[in-house]
Amino acid sequence: DAGITQSPRHKVTETGTPVTLRCHQTENHRYMYWYRQDPGHGLRLIHYSYGVKDTDKGEVSDGYSVSRSKTEDFLLTLESATSSQTSVYFCAIAGGRGNEQFFGPGTRLTVL
Amino acid sequence: GQQLNQSPQSMFIQEGEDVSMNCTSSSIFNTWLWYKQDPGEGPVLLIALYKAGELTSNGRLTAQFGITRKDSFLNISASIPSDVGIYFCAGNLPNSGGSNYKLTFGKGTLLTVNP
Repeated sequence: DAGITQSPRHKVTETGTPVTLRCHQTENHRYMYWYRQDPGHGLRLIHYSYGVKDTDKGEVSDGYSVSRSKTEDFLLTLESATSSQTSVYFCAIAGGRGNEQFFGPGTRLTVL
Repeated sequence: GQQLNQSPQSMFIQEGEDVSMNCTSSSIFNTWLWYKQDPGEGPVLLIALYKAGELTSNGRLTAQFGITRKDSFLNISASIPSDVGIYFCAGNLPNSGGSNYKLTFGKGTLLTVNP
């Protein structure tokens, strides 16, 4: 299994508060991704990184920012959480033969 | 964005039966991947396909990259209770955006196996 951890695994917060989720990898892979998973929508890409300090937006990036200051860490920040951001968030890394992505265990975020 | 049409949305089968699910698209893909997700966990990669026509097996699982590059199927033979979960297809479009490492996902097939 790819060495990917996510923290926290569960979080409950209030509307308007900032939230940061962390993804940590031990595989030294270049590419890292943040997805959200919601019923009826499947997995949707929020942001991704193709190197240290190199990031780009995915299809649902509004309300989210990311940072990658080290190869092993990719942070997702909700600047001011809203109830629509209640979801399960997955981090993934690209390794193996090019396009294979490996997923972390997920973070369940509830915004009240 | 580009859509992957995955079917069926859900399946209810008896233990021991074979299962087939597929993904189709109006666009060609360079790569097809199949994932399984258990409740409360992240998706796990089952099979990766890289060439049109490629047929690959992983135990009781077999997947094929369609000749037209616009579809893929996954078969599970002799299903067992632990096969329960959501199965996702994913594909990589040629020159997708600013990076070749973005995937497009299907919405999943929920498989239930009755013992």
